[in-house]
Order: sequence, then structure tokens, then C-alpha cells
Amino acid sequence: SQQGEEDPQALSIQEGENATMNCSYKTSINNLQWYRQNSGRGLVHLILIRSNEREKHSGRLRVTLDTSKKSSSLLITASRAADTASYFCATGGLRGNEKLTFGTGTRLTIIP
Amino acid sequence: KAGVTQTPRYLIKTRGQQVTLSCSPISGHRSVSWYQQTPGQGLQFLFEYFSETQRNKGNFPGRFSGRQFSNSRSEMNVSTLELGDSALYLCASSYGTSGGVETQYFGPGTRLLVL
Repeated sequence: SQQGEEDPQALSIQEGENATMNCSYKTSINNLQWYRQNSGRGLVHLILIRSNEREKHSGRLRVTLDTSKKSSSLLITASRAADTASYFCATGGLRGNEKLTFGTGTRLTIIP
Repeated sequence: KAGVTQTPRYLIKTRGQQVTLSCSPISGHRSVSWYQQTPGQGLQFLFEYFSETQRNKGNFPGRFSGRQFSNSRSEMNVSTLELGDSALYLCASSYGTSGGVETQYFGPGTRLLVL
């Protein structure tokens, strides 16, 4: 079963615009990670945010975490055609183990 | 460092057969996890191995099994294949010693088609 739901399911924007994706989850977490997947290939790790952190940046990526609302958002600024991919949030670390529970994903399309 | 590698990349089998997939983690990583990705169910956790022991297990039938070798390489086996086993199988590796707060690195996956 999926832990998280991502919103929107699909998003199309013009190159250069910002893209925001949201993730909601159901149970307590230890950490939340965002991954990118291109056309059914492997997952590329983007960023990890711990449950005691509220915001994290990495290059053009900004992730926020609100544990009271059980939600996270991923912002990609100044989007590029190469950002076209599916984005997944994954929660993990419960009971100190490595298991990740993935959301349903957002399909992002950048229009050149 | 070399990334996570998975072999084979593509596989076609028929119902009732069995299949073995292989995963080589990043050097120094001792935890290997396996995931199944299908259009209908999304990404689902199969199991995790750490130091040759299964440490966590998802909700899959006993037809799905795995093992890990002393060099941390892992294999997963699916016996008596069903059409619904067609999926992308991904493995991920990590050091596995941080109590669950650690980046996991994924391989390119093995795409299995069951006919």
C-alpha cells in the first residue's frame, strides 16, 4: 500500500517557470526523501529531509516538511527540459529500518 | 565510486518459470533493498538484506525470496511466475547503519515481462 499521495498527479509548465509538487503521508516518519525517475528507469535521489527539519535546499531544489500536517513539498526553480520526469516522495526510517514507502508520484513535463 | 548495478536489464519469461535477478551495491554499502514497480501498485517494498540477513520484509507472497552474499551482492528469486509479476524490479543500497535516516541509491532496474 502507498504511504503517500502526491499532488498533482501530472504537471506541465513552460521552461523557466517554477514547479511545485506536494506529498502527503499518513503515519509518523523519521525522514522523507524525494526521488526522480526518467521514463521507467532507476530512481535518482534528490534530497533527504529529517523529521526535525523544516526546510532544505539543494541547488534549484527546495523541500519543505510540515510534520503537523504530514505533508512535504518539492519546489524546482527555473525549470529546464531535462527536469521532465516523474517525482516521488518516500518516507522511511520507522523503527530504524531502511524500508522506504513511496507515494504515487507526480509526472512533470517541461515544455521548451 | 561505481553505482548500483543490476543484471540482467531485461528479461522475458513464461508463466510457471522462475527467475533470479542480481544486484551489486555501491562499494562499502551493506544494506540492499528490493522494490517492485508496476503501473497499478506503484513502488512497493519487497525486502531488505543487511550483512547476509533479511532484516525487513514487505507484504509479498513466499514466491518472492532473496539472499545476500558476504560481498553484499544480493539476488532475488521469483518462483512460479505469474502474469502479474511483470514489473520493473529495483534494488537500492545504503550503508544501513544509521538507524533508517540515510540516502538509498537505486540501480537502473530489471524489467521483467511474464508471458
